[in-house]
Amino acid sequence: DIVMTQTPSSQAVSAGEKVTMSCKSSQSLLYSENKKNYLAWYQQKPGQSPKLLISWASTRESGVPDRFIGSGSGTDFTLTISSVQAEDLAVYYCEQYYDTPFTFGSGTKLEIK
Amino acid sequence: QVQLKESGPGLVQPSQTLSLTCTVSGFSLTSNSVHWVRQPPGKGLEWVGAIWSGGSTDYNSALKSRLSISRDTSKSQVFLKMNSLQTEDTAIYFCTSPGGYYHPFDYWGQGVMVTVSS
Repeated sequence: DIVMTQTPSSQAVSAGEKVTMSCKSSQSLLYSENKKNYLAWYQQKPGQSPKLLISWASTRESGVPDRFIGSGSGTDFTLTISSVQAEDLAVYYCEQYYDTPFTFGSGTKLEIK
Repeated sequence: QVQLKESGPGLVQPSQTLSLTCTVSGFSLTSNSVHWVRQPPGKGLEWVGAIWSGGSTDYNSALKSRLSISRDTSKSQVFLKMNSLQTEDTAIYFCTSPGGYYHPFDYWGQGVMVTVSS
C-alpha cells in the first residue's frame, strides 16, 4: 500500500497569512505515460463531507479560490494557501489515486488565530 | 446534477453485519465507479472499497475478509456489507464517486454515522 504522510498535523495562523502544508508519498505518484501526478487535496470543514480542492497535484477545481495552490511531483507535494481567510478553517487531506487501495494522509488541521 | 445518498442503520451490535445503501442520481453505475470511505469520530479518512463501472470490486486489504460491495444498476444503488463488526468500525461512512476512471473523488454523499455498540 502507498503510505501518505502529512505534516504538520495542525497549524494556527492569522487571517491574511500564508500557510503551507506537506504531503509525502511512499512511492512516486507520477505516471510516466501521461506525466500526471495522481494526487488530490480535499478540504473538510466541521460536520461536512470532504470537498475536492485540487486534482493532479496542481489543478484547482472549478469554483475553488485561487489562493489555494497545489504543487509538487513524484513523492513530495505541497498545498499553499496564499492568504488565509476565516472560512478556511478545516482539515486538509491529501489522497493518492495512483493505485488501489487508494490512501489518504492523516490530515492537517488549520486553525485561525 | 450528480448526487449520492447513504442510508442504513445508525446502530449495529458487535459481531453483527452492517448493511448500507448508496443511492446515486445524475450518472449511471455502468459509466462511473462508486467508492466507500469511512471516518471514525475525530479521525481521518479511510478508503474502504469500490465497485467499478464494469462491476468488478476492490477492497481495503485490512477489511477484505469481512467486506462485500455490490450494486443494482436498475435502481442506481450500491450496497456495502461488512460482517463481524467491532467497535473500531464505528465511523461515518461516505459513498463517493470520481469524475472519471482513476480520477479523484469529485462527488460525495452526506455520510451516515454507524455506531457499533451493544
